[in-house]
Amino acid sequence: DAKTTQPPSMDCAEGRAANLPCNHSTISGNEYVYWYRQIHSQGPQYIIHGLKNNETNEMASLIITEDRKSSTLILPHATLRDTAVYYCIVLKQAGTALIFGKGTTLSVSS
Amino acid sequence: DGGITQSPKYLFRKEGQNVTLSCEQNLNHDAMYWYRQDPGQGLRLIYYSQIVNDFQKGDIAEGYSVSREKKESFPLTVTSAQKNPTAFYLCASSIVGASGSTDTQYFGPGTRLTVL
Repeated sequence: DAKTTQPPSMDCAEGRAANLPCNHSTISGNEYVYWYRQIHSQGPQYIIHGLKNNETNEMASLIITEDRKSSTLILPHATLRDTAVYYCIVLKQAGTALIFGKGTTLSVSS
Repeated sequence: DGGITQSPKYLFRKEGQNVTLSCEQNLNHDAMYWYRQDPGQGLRLIYYSQIVNDFQKGDIAEGYSVSREKKESFPLTVTSAQKNPTAFYLCASSIVGASGSTDTQYFGPGTRLTVL
């Protein structure tokens, strides 16, 4: 599975959009981009995933570049409850394990 | 209420003792997984199972054992052979696609094991 690179930390003001970048320059054609987040001492929470097209759900939007070498997770209106570690993971369609890196620690402040 | 439950939330054990962590899911998922997380680190795969009575070792299986006698249950035993068992243990489950591919994994709340 391709490796991902994320900034270690980011800050965001409450109510503003949080844009979390992820580089996955070695991604293969059949690998999906997944995003999870983990609030301290809890299990990871699935957010969104995509292959080529941009995706949106009730939690977030996922923007994948045309060459698929990078992506951005967008939380449109961040709240204090969005403070967490966000993980970007690349997974083959037939993959059986998620490889978590260190993620990005997002701090939302009022 | 559908979901994944892990018990207990906190567990203490004396050095040299085996301990079993519970993981149950009522999502009718075929695949189940055990991960370990150490402070400030990502998750590492211990064992996974795609079908009842079958399971495979992950990256750090040494000192651990599992069983999959029922679809909804995947208990993890931390044996005395595990040299550094203090960690946060997470269980996950997912459906398995028709071609054997796995879908989104959903996680339980975790069990924090401390060896005294």
